[in-house]
Amino acid sequence: EAGVVQSPRYKIIEKKQPVAFWCNPISGHNTLYWYLQNLGQGPELLIRYENEEAVDDSQLPKDRFSAERLKGVDSTLKIQPAELGDSAVYLCASSPQGAGANVLTFGAGSRLTVL
Amino acid sequence: AQSVSQHNHHVILSEAASLELGCNYSYGGTVNLFWYVQYPGQHLQLLLKYFSGDPLVKGIKGFEAEFIKSKFSFNLRKPSVQWSDTAEYFCAVGLTGGFKTIFGAGTRLFVKA
Repeated sequence: EAGVVQSPRYKIIEKKQPVAFWCNPISGHNTLYWYLQNLGQGPELLIRYENEEAVDDSQLPKDRFSAERLKGVDSTLKIQPAELGDSAVYLCASSPQGAGANVLTFGAGSRLTVL
Repeated sequence: AQSVSQHNHHVILSEAASLELGCNYSYGGTVNLFWYVQYPGQHLQLLLKYFSGDPLVKGIKGFEAEFIKSKFSFNLRKPSVQWSDTAEYFCAVGLTGGFKTIFGAGTRLFVKA
């Protein structure tokens, strides 16, 4: 079974440029998460989707960040324009419904460097 | 606000030493508890979880954790570490009802061969 797939793995951009990250969750997992992980810190939730609905986006900086999950499967996270402080690892995770909810399967992450 | 606190940011042990990593959380409701591990160059992955029942849970690779409700703690233990346990360990608390999972800052473990 394929795990959570993310791309790109690494991205280097200049500040004020846009960037997008893509995530394909585990097949059948209804819940998809985007987390931000800064160096030396634990993952922090940006947004959570139940199917195609964003049910928790309270931590998403909506002035520059946007996300979508069309058809309730793949998801993209966009930053426009990027700032120096956005340099971090962006993690995607998914989980099933029911008893397995809360058990997250993570992708490899997308490491962003903003110059 | 809910939070998860891990007591040590860095731990260095020799092989065969015993390990205990502390984790405390602040949340008054029902929680699910997790330890995730990230080996060098690999994804974050689940080490063990507690949902209910026996507060002593066993995970992969000989790790175990004990939930002490009165202390809001979920400490991770292993009687004898190996070099291959070198990794970063994250404690996480899942808030039931909202399915929000909050992570601690992580503890980086280095095991000397």
